[in-house]
Amino acid sequence: DGGITQSPKYLFRKEGQNVTLSCEQNLNHDAMYWYRQDPGQGLRLIYYSQIVNDFQKGDIAEGYSVSREKKESFPLTVTSAQKNPTAFYLCASSNRQASTDTQYFGPGTRLTVL
Amino acid sequence: DAKTTQPNSMESNEEEPVHLPCNHSTISGTDYIHWYRQLPSQGPEYVIHGLTSNVNNRMASLAIAEDRKSSTLILHRATLRDAAVYYCILRGAGGTSYGKLTFGQGTILTVHP
Repeated sequence: DGGITQSPKYLFRKEGQNVTLSCEQNLNHDAMYWYRQDPGQGLRLIYYSQIVNDFQKGDIAEGYSVSREKKESFPLTVTSAQKNPTAFYLCASSNRQASTDTQYFGPGTRLTVL
Repeated sequence: DAKTTQPNSMESNEEEPVHLPCNHSTISGTDYIHWYRQLPSQGPEYVIHGLTSNVNNRMASLAIAEDRKSSTLILHRATLRDAAVYYCILRGAGGTSYGKLTFGQGTILTVHP
């Protein structure tokens, strides 16, 4: 089946450690996105990439980094510079060639920093 | 970015229609109105979108005001599986805002059996 996978579903890390969240899609979508969601809040955009080897900062990029070396992969690194990393992280992709540009979301990774 | 305003929560009974309102008074002429919903501990799911005309799909209907300053998502017969947070979002159609979705807090829909 086509879709977006994120791994792992739950992740625990010690304070001060960098951690990388995986996001893979087999939908052949050009654009990919990373969002962060805190309890009871909407999603906030961290980074997005419209094409391979290119990405832009979203609204809350500080303390995060990304890479887009392959069309199907868009990993997110949460660095030790991120002050409050505990959150639910969601990856999405979209086909920017389509007029609807609907975003398809993965199941999310819940990161807890101890 | 143009913003949307939605009620924090709404309730419905199973099998009854639900009308979820959204105000977007600062919408620009090229903004599409998108609706997504999110079940607990899951990623959001696309529901429907429109530009000017009312839209129907298998999940819901979208009624857009003539001046485009408000819209209503209509679930024709609510089921327990429709209980979720519903987000009304304006999607930029050009320039640097293209494709970006700005999520608000959404409306929490509770469906009673």
